[in-house]
Amino acid sequence: QVQLVQSGAEVKKPGSSVRVSCKASGGTFSNYGVTWVRQAPGQGLEWMGTTLPLFGTAKNAQKFQGRVTLITDESTSTAYMELSSLRSEDTAVYYCARAVALGGSSLYCDHWGQGTLVTVSS
Amino acid sequence: DIQMTQSPSFVSASVGDRVTITCRASQRIASWLVWYQQKPGKAPNLLIYDASTLQSGVPSRFSGSGSGTDFTLSISSLQPEDFATYYCQQADSFPYTFGQGTKLEIK
Repeated sequence: QVQLVQSGAEVKKPGSSVRVSCKASGGTFSNYGVTWVRQAPGQGLEWMGTTLPLFGTAKNAQKFQGRVTLITDESTSTAYMELSSLRSEDTAVYYCARAVALGGSSLYCDHWGQGTLVTVSS
Repeated sequence: DIQMTQSPSFVSASVGDRVTITCRASQRIASWLVWYQQKPGKAPNLLIYDASTLQSGVPSRFSGSGSGTDFTLSISSLQPEDFATYYCQQADSFPYTFGQGTKLEIK
């Protein structure tokens, strides 16, 4: 049974960057995508982007364009999300999830990491 | 972007009740609809994909239906562990988008 283990909580200054890792144990990301979702305190879920070898490059939400980098290293079964130019509104729990392809561009997330709290504060 | 609207935003129910949550997409998404359950402080948990396919291990009291723009998630007989927040998400086209969530509370 695959488990996704994320890196620990981070506190960052506005304008800096954060990198969150997501390691698969008991399985790999081969033949799967990795989706990143965030959740601000008391708010709903927000899709950030998805990597899938089939796509070639990551599919990111427009609002994060230019600020987010999603990488999956299949050799270490580890995915990374890097978010730059942080602002207070980026304070949230960030989740990684394994994405299963249904067909076309449709994927669903069947295994999730435990979440990583990123706090942006001066 | 495709907008996803859930209703109601809050629902209060008792153990044993049947509950239905609806999700409407702003444009047709065929059956590319996913439902997740989230409990406080926990990651989301996959319930249903492709609008009506139950994820392995999810109790059969959960069911999903719909296609096009209108979808429903039903729980046939609420159990104590079902009190949580439920999200729909369209998987038809990028950017994927979630509904605002439906919080299911104990009456």
